[in-house]
Amino acid sequence: AQKITQTQPGMFVQEKEAVTLDCTYDTSDQSYGLFWYKQPSSGEMIFLIYQGSYDEQNATEGRYSLNFQKARKSANLVISASQLGDSAMYFCAMREGRPKRGSYIPTFGRGTSLIVHP
Amino acid sequence: DGGITQSPKYLFRKEGQNVTLSCEQNLNHDAMYWYRQDPGQGLRLIYYSQIVNDFQKGDIAEGYSVSREKKESFPLTVTSAQKNPTAFYLCASSNQGALHNSPLHFGNGTRLTVT
Repeated sequence: AQKITQTQPGMFVQEKEAVTLDCTYDTSDQSYGLFWYKQPSSGEMIFLIYQGSYDEQNATEGRYSLNFQKARKSANLVISASQLGDSAMYFCAMREGRPKRGSYIPTFGRGTSLIVHP
Repeated sequence: DGGITQSPKYLFRKEGQNVTLSCEQNLNHDAMYWYRQDPGQGLRLIYYSQIVNDFQKGDIAEGYSVSREKKESFPLTVTSAQKNPTAFYLCASSNQGALHNSPLHFGNGTRLTVT
């Protein structure tokens, strides 16, 4: 079963508008961390934002915020005031609190391709 | 500046040849990872290492081998046994001691093409 599900293969947004990228996760651990990464066409993976399962406030980093709904097991990324440079692949990832196979191995979703139109 | 360096950026090989992808980090991270990325598949874990001289198979280890002789280095060898080696390979590291709140730091990737 997928631990991280990103249901939107592709998204389009107009420049300066906000966009939400969906992510749902599956874990039986009480303690875990959720991450979002950006991958531009050049290929490098850029860490954007982190949310801990015990954090009461939604995480924010500049124009990025994470809409964390623990009961629904969702961790959607919200990008406000989209810019042309936001066009990229976006990956949601989870790191569970209990080691699996001796390590806290991150699990990634399949990604969402975001295109920002001028 | 600290970071992870992968080399080369592009690599071309003939079928049947082994090839080694380099990954070096100066972040003093304990854990290092190799991922393979194919279009529409996300990232799949090949191998990971938590400490020097120790490494574990990931989800798709067949046809690959690694070594971890130094903390800074985690090279990946794609052997001739790997049936479909053409892909984008990403190396990552993390401060394992920070447990589940520690993000991965990635290199810029190596795009391997085997013909």
